[in-house]
Amino acid sequence: DTEVTQTPKHLVMGMTNKKSLKCEQHMGHRAMYWYKQKAKKPPELMFVYSYEKLSINESVPSRFSPECPNSSLLNLHLHALQPEDSALYLCASSQEDRTGYGYTFGSGTRLTVV
Amino acid sequence: GEDVEQSLFLSVREGDSSVINCTYTDSSSTYLYWYKQEPGAGLQLLTYIFSNMDMKQDQRLTVLLNKKDKHLSLRIADTQTGDSAIYFCAETSNFGNEKLTFGTGTRLTIIP
Repeated sequence: DTEVTQTPKHLVMGMTNKKSLKCEQHMGHRAMYWYKQKAKKPPELMFVYSYEKLSINESVPSRFSPECPNSSLLNLHLHALQPEDSALYLCASSQEDRTGYGYTFGSGTRLTVV
Repeated sequence: GEDVEQSLFLSVREGDSSVINCTYTDSSSTYLYWYKQEPGAGLQLLTYIFSNMDMKQDQRLTVLLNKKDKHLSLRIADTQTGDSAIYFCAETSNFGNEKLTFGTGTRLTIIP
């Protein structure tokens, strides 16, 4: 298995809703990431987990709450989002050593906040 | 901080070679990548190069790295319609749980 799987593929939520994005990989990668990508822009890093511990938080608002239940799973809990949070949310994973091929990205969850 | 720049657009005739350029500012960049993103899709890793290399070839793809000028390029030989996409270069100064910094992306359009 050489993939990062993200669910759901599309999500529409209201500003008062609570929802979660899910990401799964079975490549044995010990680092996992959340990126946010607005239309026609490059991805921007949100969070990095290394060995199931949060290692980087790029000053993301608290309405985004990451969780890493185990080395294969990464969640992003969403609450009280704003319309400007609408974007493609990408999950990625990478190996900790230098024998890997870089960062593997999922196909993303396209989020629309109404 | 790190800054990675690319031209926004490139149009190429089908069958010609495409050359996508990227410049970066971080002199500690160690690993450099090229990703392809088709409309509505995630990022597909095309190829990567380490900073101790100056060239890497993989089938139709050739990556050139000029570390002195901090310039990276991706050449796609015999460009096909399926190559239409946005191409991002990206760099990291470490390999593992570090931030991957992306360029602005180049939209490649193929002219029949």
